[in-house]
Amino acid sequence: DTGVSQNPRHKITKRGQNVTFRCDPISEHNRLYWYRQTLGQGPEFLTYFQNEAQLEKSRLLSDRFSAERPKGSFSTLEIQRTEQGDSAMYLCASSPVAGMRNTIYFGEGSWLTVV
Amino acid sequence: AQTVTQSQPEMSVQEAETVTLSCTYDTSESDYYLFWYKQPPSRQMILVIRQEAYKQQNATENRFSVNFQKAAKSFSLKISDSQLGDAAMYFCAYRSGRDDKIIFGKGTRLHILP
Repeated sequence: DTGVSQNPRHKITKRGQNVTFRCDPISEHNRLYWYRQTLGQGPEFLTYFQNEAQLEKSRLLSDRFSAERPKGSFSTLEIQRTEQGDSAMYLCASSPVAGMRNTIYFGEGSWLTVV
Repeated sequence: AQTVTQSQPEMSVQEAETVTLSCTYDTSESDYYLFWYKQPPSRQMILVIRQEAYKQQNATENRFSVNFQKAAKSFSLKISDSQLGDAAMYFCAYRSGRDDKIIFGKGTRLHILP
């Protein structure tokens, strides 16, 4: 069990470019979450999946953001036409099954800097 | 909507002393979990302790314990015998029984003074 893996760990991009982050959850975890965290703030919920089904998207997730989880394994978070306000750390987390008793495990995050 | 409030942006404690971090939350649900997560400078979020809302007994994990006051919607974290490795951001979090989302507070940065 290697934990939740996120790539790339750091990304610097020019405003207007597209970026994609990948998350590999812990094996057989069927819940996968994406959060955004800015400096000095707590993580903000973006979206989550049960297997390949996207259950909910936060209103924070504008039309420029899209997340997928094909085949219920890894997930990608794409940001199109990046803006400086998108600069943040994007956290991925996974959980073995639905239900509160199961702990959510976080990855180390992917830092995005838009210049 | 549920909210989580941490009113202490920063706190400091002498090594080996005890410190309490505060958290309040708001919800209309009766079925939920509460958590404290630690985020060290390496940034990976680590679960410290969790509390089931239906349990009256306060959770403990070694040097970490909580004071869960359900009626007051308060969930404080006590760290005993503070160690240098406890220095981190601490986030209080609420997990809904209805939809499994976790909502975080803004965090408290804890400094350990040698």
